Amino acid sequence: VQLVESGGGLVQPGGSLRLSCAASGFTFSRHWMSWVRQAPGKGLEWVANINQDGSEKYYVDSVKGRFTISRDNAKNSLYLQMNSLRAEDTAVYYCARVAITMVRGVIITSLDYWGQGNLVTVSS
Amino acid sequence: DIQMTQSPSSLSASVGDRVTITCRASQSISSYLNWYQEKPGTAPKLLIYAASSLQSGVPSRFSGSGSGTDFTLAISSLQPEDFATYYCQQSYSTPLTFGGGTKVEIK
Repeated sequence: VQLVESGGGLVQPGGSLRLSCAASGFTFSRHWMSWVRQAPGKGLEWVANINQDGSEKYYVDSVKGRFTISRDNAKNSLYLQMNSLRAEDTAVYYCARVAITMVRGVIITSLDYWGQGNLVTVSS
Repeated sequence: DIQMTQSPSSLSASVGDRVTITCRASQSISSYLNWYQEKPGTAPKLLIYAASSLQSGVPSRFSGSGSGTDFTLAISSLQPEDFATYYCQQSYSTPLTFGGGTKVEIK
């Protein structure tokens, strides 16, 4: 399993950026996927989830209306379109695969594979 | 939103020590609790899912316990490669939330 992010960089406040995550080594179309970020010196923050066919999407409140998660199963790729960027969006952004496991009769989700991360810096 | 509180935020320990990290949820999350290890410059790694199930390839010195609101990650005999930051994460409901992290440092 390999997840490789790209598209990060320096952007001015109010600007836009699109992150990509190229997946390989597994059947991409069978998995939910996530974006998680980590601001410098801070902890992990979940950003968004998308289901297998892209029909269900969930976001943390702080990015709703500004970020859009999407995927292209034909290209084995996950995306995060980030608009109206703010200084507080500065972080390393990770894509992660969602594992769905049945444990003691209950369906449990976890993030079992992560990309190496991509730095997004929002600054003037 | 479900708040996840880890303690301690940092600890110092020696190789061979037994280490325990606790995680408390602001409401009951049954066993919807995962643990991750993060080392500087590398992506987080899943250690434990469903509160107590060991992820494939993770050494058996790692174990997890708990249900409801209180959870524990234990390392039975700390190894040099275990010095890292550990995070709990609830998967009971969105938004998925992480604890603030526990940094395990060398004594």
